[in-house]
Amino acid sequence: AQKITQTQPGMFVQEKEAVTLDCTYDTSDQSYGLFWYKQPSSGEMIFLIYQGSYDEQNATEGRYSLNFQKARKSANLVISASQLGDSAMYFCAMSFSGNTPLVFGKGTRLSVIA
Amino acid sequence: NAGVMQNPRHLVRRRGQEARLRCSPMKGHSHVYWYRQLPEEGLKFMVYLQKENIIDESGMPKERFSAEFPKEGPSILRIQQVVRGDSAAYFCASSPQVEETQYFGPGTRLLVL
Repeated sequence: AQKITQTQPGMFVQEKEAVTLDCTYDTSDQSYGLFWYKQPSSGEMIFLIYQGSYDEQNATEGRYSLNFQKARKSANLVISASQLGDSAMYFCAMSFSGNTPLVFGKGTRLSVIA
Repeated sequence: NAGVMQNPRHLVRRRGQEARLRCSPMKGHSHVYWYRQLPEEGLKFMVYLQKENIIDESGMPKERFSAEFPKEGPSILRIQQVVRGDSAAYFCASSPQVEETQYFGPGTRLLVL
């Protein structure tokens, strides 16, 4: 069965430092997509970044980058130059070819400290 | 281009009442997904619809829950005879085509008293 694992329930990072949020996945599919979403305390789900399983380059979006290691089945999110506004829950999610609903991990709560 | 819209944002119901949650996808998006989030948990898929069709309802409880996405108007998630365990945040997402990025609405927080 397809599964997403986020092993860090909570993380702390100093403002302006970089932080890595872990995500591993389990699938036998060859074609899939990996997503990261941010959920601030206000509750909405904000799309951050996407990586396709066949993409050779790691995805980047501004201060967000995805460290995709296909052989290890990991898709870690790296946030550079953390800001106080980055404090939120972060969810890793996966979509599968022929089965489009997203499968979510349990999330990591990131707290940025001034 | 307006994002995914959901209403109401908050809904309070007593046990046994009906809850209707509405979702208007982004302009140009024909695929709608409903997810449920219990406190301190990730989102769980419920149902996937295209216009006038239910494509996948494998995550939706067999009883009391139904969903539709009519030709005109928003998608509706309907919960009949609500129970306290239905209290959760219900998110709608839309995408322009299969396997594209899903964009989420702000969610509806349902509280059953």
